[in-house]
Amino acid sequence: DQQVKQNSPSLSVQEGRISILNCDYTNSMFDYFLWYKKYPAEGPTFLISISSIKDKNEDGRFTVFLNKSAKHLSLHIVPSQPGDSAVYFCAASRWSSGDKLTFGTGTRLAVRP
Amino acid sequence: KAGVTQTPRYLIKTRGQQVTLSCSPISGHRSVSWYQQTPGQGLQFLFEYFSETQRNKGNFPGRFSGRQFSNSRSEMNVSTLELGDSALYLCASSPGGLERELFFGEGSRLTVL
Repeated sequence: DQQVKQNSPSLSVQEGRISILNCDYTNSMFDYFLWYKKYPAEGPTFLISISSIKDKNEDGRFTVFLNKSAKHLSLHIVPSQPGDSAVYFCAASRWSSGDKLTFGTGTRLAVRP
Repeated sequence: KAGVTQTPRYLIKTRGQQVTLSCSPISGHRSVSWYQQTPGQGLQFLFEYFSETQRNKGNFPGRFSGRQFSNSRSEMNVSTLELGDSALYLCASSPGGLERELFFGEGSRLTVL
């Protein structure tokens, strides 16, 4: 039962353009969502998060949008840079579950120079 | 501030053996959780410890166990290893309070032959 889904396994974007990574979830009890970036041979690195009481959170080039009615969130990276090339994981949690995160399967982003 | 440290980074075992992995969290972090990453399943939650008590547990067989010491360091153990246990095992720590961002180590890559 995949409660968090990232339906695009890969995405290729030109440097300077916008990258949009999508994530869908099925469990309406999730109330906190996070995005992590992962380079090969390294652990995931926290990027940005959003609480279910918000619909947008912005941090520099990264913006996360949450559509609760559609159970959908997206990560926008503007402008995209070659150093952004990595695997991006969407994760969700419930307040009552402590640090248990439910991850998507990841989207590999390639930013072309 | 030192990050999450995991040892060993790489190890090879044979079926039927057992393995112990170690994790030292960020100083001051009281919560440690463990995740298994495989190519097909993404990151799967194993368990979480807070103040030496298991607070959450994922859907893994009893061969997977863990513990946390009074200094917040944690170990996980896998007994009677199977080929399917080959994976990257990631440890993450957090302060354990209201913030739910996890900080991951680089992982321990286990290969079972």
